[in-house]
Amino acid sequence: DTEVTQTPKHLVMGMTNKKSLKCEQHMGHRAMYWYKQKAKKPPELMFVYSYEKLSINESVPSRFSPECPNSSLLNLHLHALQPEDSALYLCASSQEIDYNEQFFGPGTRLTVL
Amino acid sequence: GNSVTQMEGPVTLSEEAFLTINCTYTATGYPSLFWYVQYPGEGLQLLLKATKADDKGSNKGFEATYRKETTSFHLEKGSVQVSDSAVYFCALSDPGGGADGLTFGKGTHLIIQP
Repeated sequence: DTEVTQTPKHLVMGMTNKKSLKCEQHMGHRAMYWYKQKAKKPPELMFVYSYEKLSINESVPSRFSPECPNSSLLNLHLHALQPEDSALYLCASSQEIDYNEQFFGPGTRLTVL
Repeated sequence: GNSVTQMEGPVTLSEEAFLTINCTYTATGYPSLFWYVQYPGEGLQLLLKATKADDKGSNKGFEATYRKETTSFHLEKGSVQVSDSAVYFCALSDPGGGADGLTFGKGTHLIIQP
């Protein structure tokens, strides 16, 4: 199984809502990542987990809260988002934080009204 | 810090034309290099990779060679198809240089006309 899955595929939420994005991989990878991608731009790294511990928080606003319940699962909790947070949110995993490739999920298309 | 520079496009070619997308990089350590492809409405798929100097990555007719002397990783394909229309991202991984995650170029939008 070389797949990273993400749910939901699409999400529309208001600025007062609380929602969560989910990501799962069963490749035994120990590093998992959240990226944000705006239209016609490259992905921007938000968070990195290595062995279920947060390794990097790239100065992301606190309205985004990551969680890694176990080595296969990664969540991104959303609260009080702004319209400019509308984007494609991509999850990825790699064997470790190393030189090997990252495998990406299909993404969640988020729209904040 | 690390950076990746690639031609942004859009690049428009006719079917069966030869493709080159240039990519150059700067890195603190000794990076691995990647080309990812993103089709409309989808996530990123790894197209090919190279982990050390002079390595050639290849997949689906695409090739790229890791050139340390010119810090380049240009993507080539001898005969493109309409189905190759997508956005192509050059990227590097350099954890030894203190950077976790991938550093991406801005992406090249490729349009292949029949």
